[in-house]
Amino acid sequence: AQKVTQAQTEISVVEKEDVTLDCVYETRDTTYYLFWYKQPPSGELVFLIRRNSFDEQNEISGRYSWNFQKSTSSFNFTITASQVVDSAVYFCALRPLSWGKFQFGAGTQVVVTP
Amino acid sequence: DGGITQSPKYLFRKEGQNVTLSCEQNLNHDAMYWYRQDPGQGLRLIYYSQIVNDFQKGDIAEGYSVSREKKESFPLTVTSAQKNPTAFYLCASSIGPGLAANEQFFGPGTRLTVL
Repeated sequence: AQKVTQAQTEISVVEKEDVTLDCVYETRDTTYYLFWYKQPPSGELVFLIRRNSFDEQNEISGRYSWNFQKSTSSFNFTITASQVVDSAVYFCALRPLSWGKFQFGAGTQVVVTP
Repeated sequence: DGGITQSPKYLFRKEGQNVTLSCEQNLNHDAMYWYRQDPGQGLRLIYYSQIVNDFQKGDIAEGYSVSREKKESFPLTVTSAQKNPTAFYLCASSIGPGLAANEQFFGPGTRLTVL
């Protein structure tokens, strides 16, 4: 069975604070891909990053960074020095190689106040 | 510009009516997907299609139907059998069924309200 858990329903921070979003996944596949998406108030999901199961290097892109730890089945996302424009719902997703489908987590609402 | 278009943006339906939501992509993607999102909840897969003239049920297919006659089009019909259709509907596409690495691209969504 494939499963993605985002335990944090909502996180509220003040601008310039760092925020970390947790993502824990379950799959029996040895080859799989993990994704993060951002859903701003407009509704359209925006792709942020993809990581495959063989690449455990952490990645940084501007104020965003991702920590992939296969040993704990986690793929956490950190926004450094948050801004109001970061307010959105963030989804973690899993796609095993053997599957045609994506499994999404329930999402985490991030609220950044000035 | 390449992308996914969904129409209409807002749709109102009377109880007992069938409605069809449009999804068109010009990305030359093989795979297309329909998701339903309820307030404060994640995405639930309704149907997906990995190739033209083929589609599979997702997790919540009851009360919905789809067709995939053309590569670029994947319309979703919400039938009267769907008891609680008020939701936000998102269409997505990705390059191909054998390329699991490729991300999904999403359309802007259609907000359906049953009156």
